[in-house]
Amino acid sequence: AQSVTQPDIHITVSEGASLELRCNYSYGATPYLFWYVQSPGQGLQLLLKYFSGDTLVQGIKGFEAEFKRSQSSFNLRKPSVHWSDAAEYFCAVSTSGTYKYIFGTGTRLKVLA
Amino acid sequence: DAMVIQNPRYQVTQFGKPVTLSCSQTLNHNVMYWYQQKSSQAPKLLFHYYDKDFNNEADTPDNFQSRRPNTSFCFLDIRSPGLGDAAMYLCATSRDAGAEKLFFGSGTQLSVL
Repeated sequence: AQSVTQPDIHITVSEGASLELRCNYSYGATPYLFWYVQSPGQGLQLLLKYFSGDTLVQGIKGFEAEFKRSQSSFNLRKPSVHWSDAAEYFCAVSTSGTYKYIFGTGTRLKVLA
Repeated sequence: DAMVIQNPRYQVTQFGKPVTLSCSQTLNHNVMYWYQQKSSQAPKLLFHYYDKDFNNEADTPDNFQSRRPNTSFCFLDIRSPGLGDAAMYLCATSRDAGAEKLFFGSGTQLSVL
């Protein structure tokens, strides 16, 4: 079955600390992978996406993610977290020709001052 | 700025009373989606339109209907809302399928009394 797993429901980090949010997927076809961020009461905004090529992708707001096919993972990282990064983060997967994007259940990030 | 706009931001309805949520886009995208998002859960695709072509997800209840009178507008009709339909409803658009970025509106938070 196609699925996206985000094992961490909540993560708390101190401002300035590094961050890694985990995402594992199970998908039969070649996956296209996405990370979205949702601030409270808002819609989702794309941070970055991976289709092919370089497995380390850069996104907006200083985020990056690394695709590891052998581990079926697409983890999101940021070297130094800012208080404004507090939000919910969703990993998603789709593939060519489909309109169905499968989302993970999200990781809620709290940032301590 | 080109965007996806959802109205209203908050909607309160009574059990069993029909309600309509609206979405408009200025992106001229071919595809419009409706997602249901319950607290601490992944967004769940209800249906999508590719142009005027309507595509219902197999597990979307019959209680949920949609209309897309033109490229710019899409409506979600809930014929007889139940308590379990209380959720955030997100409208999204994309140019095409699979590899495309989704553009989300800010959502409509529906309460059912």
